[in-house]
Amino acid sequence: AQKVTQAQTEISVVEKEDVTLDCVYETRDTTYYLFWYKQPPSGELVFLIRRNSFDEQNEISGRYSWNFQKSTSSFNFTITASQVVDSAVYFCALIVNTNAGKSTFGDGTTLTVKP
Amino acid sequence: EAEVAQSPRYKITEKSQAVAFWCDPISGHATLYWYRQILGQGPELLVQFQDESVVDDSQLPKDRFSAERLKGVDSTLKIQPAELGDSAMYLCASSLAAREDNEQFFGPGTRLTVL
Repeated sequence: AQKVTQAQTEISVVEKEDVTLDCVYETRDTTYYLFWYKQPPSGELVFLIRRNSFDEQNEISGRYSWNFQKSTSSFNFTITASQVVDSAVYFCALIVNTNAGKSTFGDGTTLTVKP
Repeated sequence: EAEVAQSPRYKITEKSQAVAFWCDPISGHATLYWYRQILGQGPELLVQFQDESVVDDSQLPKDRFSAERLKGVDSTLKIQPAELGDSAMYLCASSLAAREDNEQFFGPGTRLTVL
């Protein structure tokens, strides 16, 4: 069975601070994909990034960066110079190739960025 | 930009009543998912369709929930009778195919309150 743990339930930062959201996953499959989604107050989940299990390169996209480490089963997400508009719930999700399409989500981290 | 449509956005009902939610996926997306998201938790997959066929409904409470996608396009999720514990956000998502690397596109959700 698959499991995704987001230990940080809520994080509050002041605008322009950097913030890292943690994600730890469990799976026995060797081929899988990890995702991050953002859920603003409107409710719709917005796709942020996808990473496959064979690609451990870190990625930077603007103010967002992701650190994938198979050795610790972690896929952490960092927002640099946070902005008020970053306030949302962020979800980490896992899909394994033996159960293609079925996502296992963490319980999310609520990020509040204060002006 | 193509979007997943859901209606209604909000539904308030009394327990023991029947409710129905509708989802129209992005055109051309063969795979459709219904998720339930309880407040403070991540989405949980209820049912997955590949075209008009159910691929996974292992987490669907079949005594009261039903889902259909008759023509392989839009889909309806029904609850009869509704119970207090069914209060949640019901999210619909679609993807091109049921592959582990396929991004899922989410609709805005239907927030159900059972009184």
